[in-house]
Amino acid sequence: GQQVMQIPQYQHVQEGEDFTTYCNSSTTLSNIQWYKQRPGGHPVFLIQLVKSGEVKKQKRLTFQFGEAKKNSSLHITATQTTDVGTYFCAGNRYSGGGADGLTFGKGTHLIIQP
Amino acid sequence: NAGVTQTPKFRILKIGQSMTLQCTQDMNHNYMYWYRQDPGMGLKLIYYSVGAGITDKGEVPNGYNVSRSTTEDFPLRLELAAPSQTSVYFCASSSTQGSSGNTIYFGEGSWLTVV
Repeated sequence: GQQVMQIPQYQHVQEGEDFTTYCNSSTTLSNIQWYKQRPGGHPVFLIQLVKSGEVKKQKRLTFQFGEAKKNSSLHITATQTTDVGTYFCAGNRYSGGGADGLTFGKGTHLIIQP
Repeated sequence: NAGVTQTPKFRILKIGQSMTLQCTQDMNHNYMYWYRQDPGMGLKLIYYSVGAGITDKGEVPNGYNVSRSTTEDFPLRLELAAPSQTSVYFCASSSTQGSSGNTIYFGEGSWLTVV
């Protein structure tokens, strides 16, 4: 079945440093989504990437979807304490319908030291 | 809109007991899901539903049952609870319509411990 690998599992950074998490799928994806989960909270949707090579920005967050639609990355510039949490990628093998074709990575836990 | 509401938030079960996790959404979403998240891990799909009266197994359905009698409600039943079912359970929903299609909206989670 489809596998979605996410690295690193944990990342410690000093506040103000940059952070990047990478997501790789064993199969070509229709689209990829990113979610953030604060400690003790629930996953919250951040963004969806659909097109090959797509790049989207949300303030300090930059999301990329690879040309082959098998990998993606999330980059945070100048991390802040509010960025603490776990970032999940979720690869979708279906272009339409619901999210039953979504496979979540195990997430990258971002820990920020002030 | 309240979004996705699930209850209870915390529960301790003894081995062999049964219980139902309740979930309701007020966004008129056609798709609903149950995920479990083990400590430090990602989300695994237990069951999902594409609409009232229709349910399908996800990646880890064993030991669980669901029903979808209405668009709003999607309860998850645990029969004969086992320690391996200790986890955080998330109910979620999504719509296939509009620009937010496929986006999953999660409930706040239910922490279940089986002892």
